[in-house]
Amino acid sequence: AQKVTQAQTEISVVEKEDVTLDCVYETRDTTYYLFWYKQPPSGELVFLIRRNSFDEQNEISGRYSWNFQKSTSSFNFTITASQVVDSAVYFCALVVNTGNQFYFGTGTSLTVIP
Amino acid sequence: DTAVSQTPKYLVTQMGNDKSIKCEQNLGHDTMYWYKQDSKKFLKIMFSYNNKELIINETVPNRFSPKSPDKAHLNLHINSLELGDSAVYFCASSLLPGLNTGELFFGEGSRLTVL
Repeated sequence: AQKVTQAQTEISVVEKEDVTLDCVYETRDTTYYLFWYKQPPSGELVFLIRRNSFDEQNEISGRYSWNFQKSTSSFNFTITASQVVDSAVYFCALVVNTGNQFYFGTGTSLTVIP
Repeated sequence: DTAVSQTPKYLVTQMGNDKSIKCEQNLGHDTMYWYKQDSKKFLKIMFSYNNKELIINETVPNRFSPKSPDKAHLNLHINSLELGDSAVYFCASSLLPGLNTGELFFGEGSRLTVL
């Protein structure tokens, strides 16, 4: 069975602080994909990143970076120098190659205080 | 062009009524989904269709009936609406997971309020 755990329900930081959102996944499949989505207060779900299980390279995109570690089954997301516009609910998701659906975590609500 | 579009965006109705939400995607994807997001923001999959064939049918009351007339459309019909059906319903599409798995593309959501 597949599972995604986002243990942090809510996080508040002050603007310009760095923040890391945790994502831990469970699967016995060796081929899988991990995703992060952002849901701002306006409600739409915005795709941020996809990573496959064979690519453990960390990725940086502007102020966003992702740390994929198979040894700990984690795919953490760090926002550097947070801004108010980063306030949103962030979802981590997993798809396995032998499956047919996306497994979502319960989301982490991030509030960036000006 | 909107990749995944769903209508209506807002729906307010009385208990016991029947309502439908429509979804269309122009991405050429073969798989479409309905998700329900409750007030706690949990995203729960309801149904998934691949090329008009139902492939996921989670534990959902049979008052909910999806219909896929073609692979670009997946509609959701809800009979005898109940207060607990109030939520945001998201339509999404993707390539079939397992075959060059790409990301899910979501519609903007349809906020259903049952009074």
